[in-house]
Amino acid sequence: TQLLEQSPQFLSIQEGENLTVYCNSSSVFSSLQWYRQEPGEGPVLLVTVVTGGEVKKLKRLTFQFGDARKDSSLHITAAQTGDTGLYLCAGAGANSKLTFGKGITLSVRP
Amino acid sequence: DAGVTQSPTHLIKTRGQQVTLRCSPKSGHDTVSWYQQALGQGPQFIFQYYEEEERQRGNFPDRFSGHQFPNYSSELNVNALLLGDSALYLCASSYSGGPYQPQHFGDGTRLSIL
Repeated sequence: TQLLEQSPQFLSIQEGENLTVYCNSSSVFSSLQWYRQEPGEGPVLLVTVVTGGEVKKLKRLTFQFGDARKDSSLHITAAQTGDTGLYLCAGAGANSKLTFGKGITLSVRP
Repeated sequence: DAGVTQSPTHLIKTRGQQVTLRCSPKSGHDTVSWYQQALGQGPQFIFQYYEEEERQRGNFPDRFSGHQFPNYSSELNVNALLLGDSALYLCASSYSGGPYQPQHFGDGTRLSIL
């Protein structure tokens, strides 16, 4: 069984702080995707990483894929209250079936 | 360009009843996947439909069944509802379902079982 573990489970920080969260897999996926989900809404795709060692930047968000393609990190610079939400990582297998972690609940205080 | 739409948004049922949830994929998408998201958990894969056939299935009992129509829309049916079926049911669509194709999610149907 392929598992994705995300840490920390909960994070509460002050606006302006930096943070890094992690996603670790027990096996290799074809690609790894990060989503953000707000209450009452579906997950919204932030980024897809495919190549080991890959780094992608999306404004203040930096995503890194481990060399062995089994772990990933998300770094947020100067967090804003709008960054509050549930951050999910998901591994994509054959035919795009996604295996999700339990998610990281981020709260950014003003 | 409409994204993924799901109906209804909320539903309340009692144990033993049956329910049908509906999903219209994003324009241009031909693959529909269904996920169950319990409170405080990440979504869990139920099954995927492509070309009107179930292509993959997760670890869910036969009480969960589905259908895809020629226009690519899809239904999820759950029979003999249990209290544990209470969850947010998410539909995701993509083009041809490869591992690198981005999936677009709807806002889900919140199902409550009394």
